[in-house]
Amino acid sequence: AQKVTQAQTEISVVEKEDVTLDCVYETRDTTYYLFWYKQPPSGELVFLIRRNSFDEQNEISGRYSWNFQKSTSSFNFTITASQVVDSAVYFCALSEGSGSARQLTFGSGTQLTVLP
Amino acid sequence: DAGITQSPRHKVTETGTPVTLRCHQTENHRYMYWYRQDPGHGLRLIHYSYGVKDTDKGEVSDGYSVSRSKTEDFLLTLESATSSQTSVYFCAARTRGVDSEAFFGQGTRLTVV
Repeated sequence: AQKVTQAQTEISVVEKEDVTLDCVYETRDTTYYLFWYKQPPSGELVFLIRRNSFDEQNEISGRYSWNFQKSTSSFNFTITASQVVDSAVYFCALSEGSGSARQLTFGSGTQLTVLP
Repeated sequence: DAGITQSPRHKVTETGTPVTLRCHQTENHRYMYWYRQDPGHGLRLIHYSYGVKDTDKGEVSDGYSVSRSKTEDFLLTLESATSSQTSVYFCAARTRGVDSEAFFGQGTRLTVV
């Protein structure tokens, strides 16, 4: 069965600090996909990134970067020079390539608060 | 705009009454999902659909049923609402299967009193 763990329930940083959100996943499949979503205070869920299990290259998009390591089953998300607008709940999610392949399993989320 | 609309957006209902939440999508997505969001639990899958009349249970399906008679509509029914079903409900849709991102509706806040 697939499982996603986000051990950090809440993180608080001061603006301009870097922050890393951890995501650890469990799956028996060799083919799978990992996702990150953002949920700002307004409540909608916004897709940030998708990564497949065969691509371990790190991804950078502006102040956001993602580090995927199969050896540790982790897909961590780093925000560089955080801003108040980054305050949100961030979810990591996993979709396996077989079995109940159509399910998308989410972690419990990390509440990030960026203080001015 | 991912073309996913949930209705109603807010609802207060009494214990024991039936409740139906509607998810409507306009992008011809094949896969649709219902999640509930509760503090400390993140998003938990209730039911999902992989085509018209094709549905399956998620991890928290007890007390819920779903129907999908048309591609664009996915209904979630609470047969007899209980206070433990007070939650925010999100509908999501994906075009393909495992490799595509999910697009979400705005959520429905349901309170069972």
